[in-house]
Amino acid sequence: DTEVTQTPKHLVMGMTNKKSLKCEQHMGHRAMYWYKQKAKKPPELMFVYSYEKLSINESVPSRFSPECPNSSLLNLHLHALQPEDSALYLCASSQGGQGAGYTFGSGTRLTVV
Amino acid sequence: GQQLNQSPQSMFIQEGEDVSMNCTSSSIFNTWLWYKQDPGEGPVLLIALYKAGELTSNGRLTAQFGITRKDSFLNISASIPSDVGIYFCAGQWGSQGNLIFGKGTKLSVKP
Repeated sequence: DTEVTQTPKHLVMGMTNKKSLKCEQHMGHRAMYWYKQKAKKPPELMFVYSYEKLSINESVPSRFSPECPNSSLLNLHLHALQPEDSALYLCASSQGGQGAGYTFGSGTRLTVV
Repeated sequence: GQQLNQSPQSMFIQEGEDVSMNCTSSSIFNTWLWYKQDPGEGPVLLIALYKAGELTSNGRLTAQFGITRKDSFLNISASIPSDVGIYFCAGQWGSQGNLIFGKGTKLSVKP
């Protein structure tokens, strides 16, 4: 299995809703990442998990809450989002360290209404 | 912070033409990666470069890691309609292998 699987593919949520994005990989990768991508922009790093521990939080608002239940799974819990949070949310994984290429999932297209 | 300057921002070419795009930075990177992203999909790795001066090919794609470790280019030969998409360079740095992306080059191919 050489894929990163993200669910759901599309999500529409209200500003008072609570929802979760899910990401799964079975490549034995020890680093997992959440990126946010706005239209016509490059992906921007949000969080890095290394060996199931949060190692980088790029000053992301607390309405985004990551969770890594085990080495294969990564969740992003969403609560009280704003319309400007609408974007493509990408999950990626890698072996970690220099020279380790990232494998990206197809993303979740999130719309906040 | 670190920044990658990717150019051109967009290209409109005829099928069969060759394409060249590049990335430069004021920072040194240990690894350069080139990704392609189709609409509604995640980036897909095309080529990874690990050593300064390295020239690597993947089919019609050729990429080079600059000698100064501050730049890289990607060439696509004999373009075809399925080459349409956004191409991102990415530089990898630090012990954790953090990745930073260029702003992308949007490629359009006219049949």
